[in-house]
Amino acid sequence: DADVTQTPRNRITKTGKRIMLECSQTKGHDRMYWYRQDPGLGLRLIYYSFDVKDINKGEISDGYSVSRQAQAKFSLSLESAIPNQTALYFCATSDPGGGGGNEQYFGPGTRLTVT
Amino acid sequence: GENVEQHPSTLSVQEGDSAVIKCTYSDSASNYFPWYKQELGKGPQLIIDIRSNVGEKKDQRIAVTLNKTAKHFSLHITETQPEDSAVYFCAASIGTGTASKLTFGTGTRLQVTL
Repeated sequence: DADVTQTPRNRITKTGKRIMLECSQTKGHDRMYWYRQDPGLGLRLIYYSFDVKDINKGEISDGYSVSRQAQAKFSLSLESAIPNQTALYFCATSDPGGGGGNEQYFGPGTRLTVT
Repeated sequence: GENVEQHPSTLSVQEGDSAVIKCTYSDSASNYFPWYKQELGKGPQLIIDIRSNVGEKKDQRIAVTLNKTAKHFSLHITETQPEDSAVYFCAASIGTGTASKLTFGTGTRLQVTL
């Protein structure tokens, strides 16, 4: 089984709808992240969480919210979806223990289309 | 905040040739520089990383070099193979504590032709 899973893998929704993307991990990592990927723009950080009680905004948090339900679960919500939120969304985890650094492990992604 | 620029955006090489992807960063406090490979339909996967106390690191056919003075680092792939075709991302990070976030480059699509 994959260490980082995302559901759904694909979603088409209409403008104004609320949508939630879910991420689960079995790696036992405290840190979790949500990224958005757009062609030519790379990966941009939306929100990140260093533990269950810690939630932080990334560089593009407007229009998004998150919930860290447990160490293993981190959800991303679009309260009122708009077409320019059409993108590929990735969840990632990391564990800074041991030798340090910040290797991140990514899920398979959710392709979201807002019409 | 940190800004990472990556070039080229696309790169086509013949099988067996070498490929080089370059990145520059803006924050001199950055001290961790990973490279990720993203295959079609998958999430990015770490292939090699380097820390600021090291100038070069090799792992079989891939190597990364870091020039702290110039604030740039590069990925080198030798003897390229078709399975090297993918999108590659560089990234930079400061520290391992609360400031530990990755800033990614915009990606390079590498195509290895037969």
